[in-house]
Amino acid sequence: DGGITQSPKYLFRKEGQNVTLSCEQNLNHDAMYWYRQDPGQGLRLIYYSQIVNDFQKGDIAEGYSVSREKKESFPLTVTSAQKNPTAFYLCASSISTNQPQHFGDGTRLSIL
Amino acid sequence: EDQVTQSPEALRLQEGESSSLNCSYTVSGLRGLFWYRQDPGKGPEFLFTLYSAGEEKEKERLKATLTKKESFLHITAPKPEDSATYLCAVRLSNDYKLSFGAGTTVTVRA
Repeated sequence: DGGITQSPKYLFRKEGQNVTLSCEQNLNHDAMYWYRQDPGQGLRLIYYSQIVNDFQKGDIAEGYSVSREKKESFPLTVTSAQKNPTAFYLCASSISTNQPQHFGDGTRLSIL
Repeated sequence: EDQVTQSPEALRLQEGESSSLNCSYTVSGLRGLFWYRQDPGKGPEFLFTLYSAGEEKEKERLKATLTKKESFLHITAPKPEDSATYLCAVRLSNDYKLSFGAGTTVTVRA
């Protein structure tokens, strides 16, 4: 089945540690996105990528980094500079940036 | 500032009791309004895209409508399996990104 796979489902970070969240899609979509979801708030865009080897900052990029070396993959690294990383992280993709986005099932990140 | 506001925050319905959710937006130059359904611990599932005032889309018991300032998601004769959080998002004319509302959590009791 075509879809978006995020892993792991749950992740714990120690203070000072960088962690990487995986996002893989087999939909042949060009655009990929990372969002953060906090209780009572709308999804907020962290980074997006329109094409391989290109990505742009979203509204809350500080403390995060991404890469887009392959069309299928868009990993997100939560660095130690992100002081409040506890959240539900969602990856999405779309055929292009003006088409509906489709989401994976998320990774919940917590602090140890 | 808030560009997308959803109301109510929570809605409790009896099975078969029809109701509507509201999504209002304060931006101009709308390039699309999107509705999603999100189950607990899952990612949002795409439902509808609306592009112009007067447009309507339907899927099973759900119907989405759009005016110049707001969209409604009507749930007709809901069933317990319609329980979820419903999110709306808007795309502006000169922007790539979606601005999401905080969602309406719908609970349907049998």
